[in-house]
Amino acid sequence: AQKVTQAQTEISVVEKEDVTLDCVYETRDTTYYLFWYKQPPSGELVFLIRRNSFDEQNEISGRYSWNFQKSTSSFNFTITASQVVDSAVYFCALSEAETGGFKTIFGAGTRLFVKA
Amino acid sequence: DSGVTQTPKHLITATGQRVTLRCSPRSGDLSVYWYQQSLDQGLQFLIQYYNGEERAKGNILERFSAQQFPDLHSELNLSSLELGDSALYFCASSVVSGINYNEQFFGPGTRLTVL
Repeated sequence: AQKVTQAQTEISVVEKEDVTLDCVYETRDTTYYLFWYKQPPSGELVFLIRRNSFDEQNEISGRYSWNFQKSTSSFNFTITASQVVDSAVYFCALSEAETGGFKTIFGAGTRLFVKA
Repeated sequence: DSGVTQTPKHLITATGQRVTLRCSPRSGDLSVYWYQQSLDQGLQFLIQYYNGEERAKGNILERFSAQQFPDLHSELNLSSLELGDSALYFCASSVVSGINYNEQFFGPGTRLTVL
């Protein structure tokens, strides 16, 4: 069955610290997609990254980096030199194909507090 | 701004009532998805439409229904509302449905309060 686990409910760091948000997923499919979304206090959901199951290359985008490891079914997200503006809830999500469409499961989210 | 629009932003209604939430996808996106976000259930996938056809179904209650119209906008109908239906309802859109899956872009959401 599909499942996404974000074990960290809340993380609090001081500005400029590095922080890693964990995501562990379960799926029976060999083709699937993983995502990270950010939900700032304003409430909108902002897309951060997509990863296909057949592409295990890690990715870096500015202060953000993602580590995808199929062997451990993990897709972790690291923010380097965190800033107050990074304070938000971060969601990891898994999409699998289903009868011509895609069903997406979100993790419970990790609330990140970055203190000045 | 994701390019996905949702109306209304806020909706307050009473138990037993019926409401309709509307979503317009980004220009060129054929797929529309509906999600419910509540404190106790988190973000839950409800349903996906692609070019007018239902393509995937999640934890959508029988009291809820959706459709996608020829101009690609979508409506989510919630009926016989209960207090527990109070939530933030998101619509998202993506370019395709099928092998070449792309990320979903989310609208600002409709906050539904059932009193």
